[in-house]
Amino acid sequence: RKEVEQDPGPFNVPEGATVAFNCTYSNSASQSFFWYRQDCRKEPKLLMSVYSSGNEDGRFTAQLNRASQYISLLIRDSKLSDSATYLCVVNPWTNAGKSTFGDGTTLTVKP
Amino acid sequence: EPEVTQTPSHQVTQMGQEVILRCVPISNHLYFYWYRQILGQKVEFLVSFYNNEISEKSEIFDDQFSVERPDGSNFTLKIRSTKLEDSAMYFCASTSGANVLTFGAGSRLTVL
Repeated sequence: RKEVEQDPGPFNVPEGATVAFNCTYSNSASQSFFWYRQDCRKEPKLLMSVYSSGNEDGRFTAQLNRASQYISLLIRDSKLSDSATYLCVVNPWTNAGKSTFGDGTTLTVKP
Repeated sequence: EPEVTQTPSHQVTQMGQEVILRCVPISNHLYFYWYRQILGQKVEFLVSFYNNEISEKSEIFDDQFSVERPDGSNFTLKIRSTKLEDSAMYFCASTSGANVLTFGAGSRLTVL
């Protein structure tokens, strides 16, 4: 079983759509969780951290379910500029340590 | 906004040659990393570095790889004898300790 597993995608949605990505992780001791965004041939950039209470940043909402070892990302009112690969990232520590990346889910938003 | 700087952006080398990839992490960060991404594949952890020593490394980071922080600002990755399968994008990252990684733009290595 992969350490971090994401929806395979790709997701092709029209502008304005709501889209949700799912991620599961195998290490129950994992402590910190993130969504990163990666544009084609560029570096990953932090989109948002994910907390057990859930967190929202504008059109983006992230949820964590520790019991199910499941993380989600919801994008509302998607824009053309949201087209990218979304990476689920899990870390076993609360402080700095090795981060494990999922394979990524590619989103294309079409006009 | 502070950034992680990597050089070169692209290097082409012959199999068996040594390669050094350079990184300047964000100045007040304490933890430094190298990750790699083979084209079309996921981002993979290579090594983490803290307090002038390796704190963790992956199975990929074998004896052909080494890291160094020679002068308090640069952080280098050396591949001693490159193989075809070393062709990838190599990302340097740093963090202050809160686990949020800031990545450099990457160094694309092509081994012929």
